[in-house]
Amino acid sequence: GENVEQHPSTLSVQEGDSAVIKCTYSDSASNYFPWYKQELGKRPQLIIDIRSNVGEKKDQRIAVTLNKTAKHFSLHITETQPEDSAVYFCAAKVSNYQLIWGAGTKLIIKP
Amino acid sequence: DAGVIQSPRHEVTEMGQEVTLRCKPISGHNSLFWYRQTMMRGLELLIYFNNNVPIDDSGMPEDRFSAKMPNASFSTLKIQPSEPRDSAVYFCASSLFEASTDTQYFGPGTRLTVL
Repeated sequence: GENVEQHPSTLSVQEGDSAVIKCTYSDSASNYFPWYKQELGKRPQLIIDIRSNVGEKKDQRIAVTLNKTAKHFSLHITETQPEDSAVYFCAAKVSNYQLIWGAGTKLIIKP
Repeated sequence: DAGVIQSPRHEVTEMGQEVTLRCKPISGHNSLFWYRQTMMRGLELLIYFNNNVPIDDSGMPEDRFSAKMPNASFSTLKIQPSEPRDSAVYFCASSLFEASTDTQYFGPGTRLTVL
């Protein structure tokens, strides 16, 4: 069946450095790729998304890139801050409603 | 808008008891999702409703789980009888089903503990 692989499972970076999280999807028909941030004890919240007709999208310190040929997409966070510490989930849309979720990446920002 | 509302926020029950989780989606949204989140299995889609109709319930673990959506503003997820392995955080999410809009908005979740 369809799946999304997410790496790494844990990422520790120094405050101010950049963080990159990568995801690979299996369904070549997927056309929508959101990223969600989940803080401890809170709900997942959308932080950025990208559609298959776009290669890159930026929103301040956050950017997402998509390589349809290779079927992978990545989240880039620059100038990391303590409030960026959370679990990040990628997902790929595989039907007209269903998202297949990655396993999550725990991002730790070291002061 | 208040966002997706779920109740209760926490539920502790004993094995064998019936548990009912409630969700109020964002007004105007026509798609509703129930998810279960555990450390071992991550986020799992349990059931998807569109315009109050269950479209995909293939994620419902077994017959002990049932979900209803009697109207556009209310849904329930029931577990009867509950078992310790049902302990998890259950999220409800809603979205507006349109070609250009895919964002799923999550509720705060219900943390269920079955003793």
